[in-house]
Amino acid sequence: DAGVIQSPRHEVTEMGQEVTLRCKPISGHDYLFWYRQTMMRGLELLIYFNNNVPIDDSGMPEDRFSAKMPNASFSTLKIQPSEPRDSAVYFCASSLMVQPQHFGDGTRLSIL
Amino acid sequence: GIQVEQSPPDLILQEGANSTLRCNFSDSVNNLQWFHQNPWGQLINLFYIPSGTKQNGRLSATTVATERYSLLYISSSQTTDSGVYFCAVPSATSYDKVIFGPGTSLSVIP
Repeated sequence: DAGVIQSPRHEVTEMGQEVTLRCKPISGHDYLFWYRQTMMRGLELLIYFNNNVPIDDSGMPEDRFSAKMPNASFSTLKIQPSEPRDSAVYFCASSLMVQPQHFGDGTRLSIL
Repeated sequence: GIQVEQSPPDLILQEGANSTLRCNFSDSVNNLQWFHQNPWGQLINLFYIPSGTKQNGRLSATTVATERYSLLYISSSQTTDSGVYFCAVPSATSYDKVIFGPGTSLSVIP
């Protein structure tokens, strides 16, 4: 079975540019989570969806970040405009009933 | 909210040695997950273990929910076991969220 699929694996872009990260959850899972991992702050939950509906976005750092889940098989996390402090590894995870969560391989984002 | 601690924070092992990693949590939980983040950054599910003991090859885990801890045992360690091990439990304030511990960084040297 295919796991959680994230794209791109790596993204390098200049400050001010729009960045879009993509995630395909495991088929049949009803929860989707977006996390950010940095050395300083560890793994942070940004936002999560249940049945395609955003439930809690309190972890989204600021208005420059937005996330959508238009259907059960696709979600995006967008940063506009991007800043160097957004550089991190962004993970998407999905689950059936919260746990166990299954993670994608992550997107390593570098903002120059 | 619930507090999650892991010990030790860092561990260096000679290949072939055994080790025990610990996860303590401040409130009772009904779910617990162990992950391994390998040197390439991938987060791999190891165990989903709300209670009791599970084994998978050289790895096993035990959760004693009533005493608020879980243990991860690694036997006959290999260099491929290197990485960071995280435990994760449900948030006390929001059932839909999980809280990750700070992790144990393991280095297995040949």
